[in-house]
Amino acid sequence: KAGVTQTPRYLIKTRGQQVTLSCSPISGHRSVSWYQQTPGQGLQFLFEYFSETQRNKGNFPGRFSGRQFSNSRSEMNVSTLELGDSALYLCASSLARDRVTYNEQFFGPGTRLTVL
Amino acid sequence: AQKITQTQPGMFVQEKEAVTLDCTYDTSDPSYGLFWYKQPSSGEMIFLIYQGSYDQQNATEGRYSLNFQKARKSANLVISASQLGDSAMYFCAMRDFTGANSKLTFGKGITLSVRP
Repeated sequence: KAGVTQTPRYLIKTRGQQVTLSCSPISGHRSVSWYQQTPGQGLQFLFEYFSETQRNKGNFPGRFSGRQFSNSRSEMNVSTLELGDSALYLCASSLARDRVTYNEQFFGPGTRLTVL
Repeated sequence: AQKITQTQPGMFVQEKEAVTLDCTYDTSDPSYGLFWYKQPSSGEMIFLIYQGSYDQQNATEGRYSLNFQKARKSANLVISASQLGDSAMYFCAMRDFTGANSKLTFGKGITLSVRP
């Protein structure tokens, strides 16, 4: 069974640009969560999508948005990039069908975004 | 609000010895789950072990065991027979089960270095 895949793996952008990151969950998984990891703030929850609906959102500005498609693939968009957006963006997928399967949350390799 | 605390500085352990990584947590939710993840330099988060708040026994997964002390709100990870490949960052995380929620709250992480 293929794991969680994220594309691209590395990305360099300049301030003011926008970027779209993609995440393909494990086959059959309907929940996709996004996390931002920086040396200063650690791992922070961005949002979670389940069956194409945003189910939970972290404390990030509106420049950060996402969506999920009918095949459960998810995209994350950051508009008007700032230097502080440089981070490793991790995607995690889960069956999230019931309390037991909530426990299985698998991460992808991440997308390392550098903003110059 | 949930909080995970990992305060140990970088940890060193001799190959084949056991090591304990500390984690304390705080939550007002009666039902929650505790996780440990390993993050090697490649960046991918690798799930190690899970402990539910109502589980009667401490979780074990191969060389990993979780020393769960609910009254003290601690969930320490014990790695037995350390291997060179265990060198990585280790994160403790928690999720509550109120509502449909897959959000994980992470600690700051601990760097483990295994010496040959």
